[in-house]
Formats: sequence, C-alpha cells, structure tokens
Amino acid sequence: AQSVAQPEDQVNVAEGNPLTVKCTYSVSGNPYLFWYVQYPNRGLQFLLKYITGDNLVKGSYGFEAEFNKSQTSFHLKKPSALVSDSALYFCAVNTPLRGAAGNKLTFGGGTRVLVKP
Amino acid sequence: DTGVSQNPRHKITKRGQNVTFRCDPISEHNRLYWYRQTLGQGPEFLTYFQNEAQLEKSRLLSDRFSAERPKGSFSTLEIQRTEQGDSAMYLCASSFTTGVSNQPQHFGDGTRLSIL
Repeated sequence: AQSVAQPEDQVNVAEGNPLTVKCTYSVSGNPYLFWYVQYPNRGLQFLLKYITGDNLVKGSYGFEAEFNKSQTSFHLKKPSALVSDSALYFCAVNTPLRGAAGNKLTFGGGTRVLVKP
Repeated sequence: DTGVSQNPRHKITKRGQNVTFRCDPISEHNRLYWYRQTLGQGPEFLTYFQNEAQLEKSRLLSDRFSAERPKGSFSTLEIQRTEQGDSAMYLCASSFTTGVSNQPQHFGDGTRLSIL
C-alpha cells in the first residue's frame, strides 16, 4: 500500500531562517509525490510535485523539495521562512484506485509550521 | 479559472438530519474527488468521479452517504441520518487528467459540518 509519513507534528523556525518539513514515503513502483499547504479554514493549496527527472523540484512561493530515492524521502524546503508561511503542510502520494482507472491522494498526518518574527 | 467552489462553507445540524453539500469543480476538469478531513488529520479519500461516472468509493463511505455528478459538471454529497462522527471538513477536489494520473488535484475551501 502507498503511504507517506510526516514524522514531525510541528516545526518552529525563526523568520529568515531555513525551513525544512520532512516526509518519507512507501510505495510500490515509481512515486508521484505532492506537497500541499493549508491555512486555517481553507482548503489545500498545491505547492509542488515530483513525477520524474530532477531530484530538486521548485514550486510556488519559493518552496522547493528534494526527492531522495535511497532514503525514500521528499522533504520540503524554503531557504528563508516568512511569518506568512505559518500553516499546516501535507505531503501526499498518488495512489492507484482499486477497481478503476484513476488515482487518489494518500496524505500524511500533516506538519504545523510556526514561523516566529 | 475561478477555482473549485464549495457550498455551504459551514453547516450546523442536529443529529439525525440529512445534509447536502455542493461542489463546482474547475470548468473542464474531468475528474472530481471528495475527501473528509477531521481536526488535525490529513484528508481521507471518500469517492471519485470521472466525468459523470462514480468509479470508486472508499470503505469510509457508509450507506448513509451518496454522491452524484450529473452531466459531469457539479457534484453533490448527501449524508442521511447524520451522526456525531460525521462532524468533519468535507473537501472537494478536481483535476484534468488523461492517461497517466500525475496532475495535481485542486481543492475547494471545504464545507465544515458540525453535528449537534
């Protein structure tokens, strides 16, 4: 079964410092991996995806993620965090459906990021 | 592109009542998904439509839940005889995908259901 794990419930970082949010995956076959961000009382906003190619993927709002096949990880990074980056971050993996062509997203439990001024 | 729209944003109802939520996907997106998110957790898949056909339902979707997508446009999710455990955020997402399923799903802002 496809799954992702986010080992940290919360990450605290000072504004201007690098931000890393960890994600590890367990999949059969090639993984299609995604990062989403969720602000309070809002839906999920797509940040970036890894399908194939370069292991460093660049996304929205200055975020990037590094795919590491040997460590089965897909960590989200931002070189310089902003207070406005404080939110809930979800890693997800594309998961084939049982009986139909198509996919669903299987999400990790989420990591709350708090960026302090 | 006006994004995925969900209505209502909030719904408060008494246990045992029926509720219906609506989702308007991004126009021309052929795939539509419903997820449920409880507080502090990641979203969990409920059901999936390709155009008007409902192709997959999660085991989370009991007989009290029904979803439709007439004409492959908007979708509705109905919960009959609501229970306390139905309290959650219900998220709708859509994508346009042909062949390999690697396009991102775009989410609406959800409907938060509270059962009294």
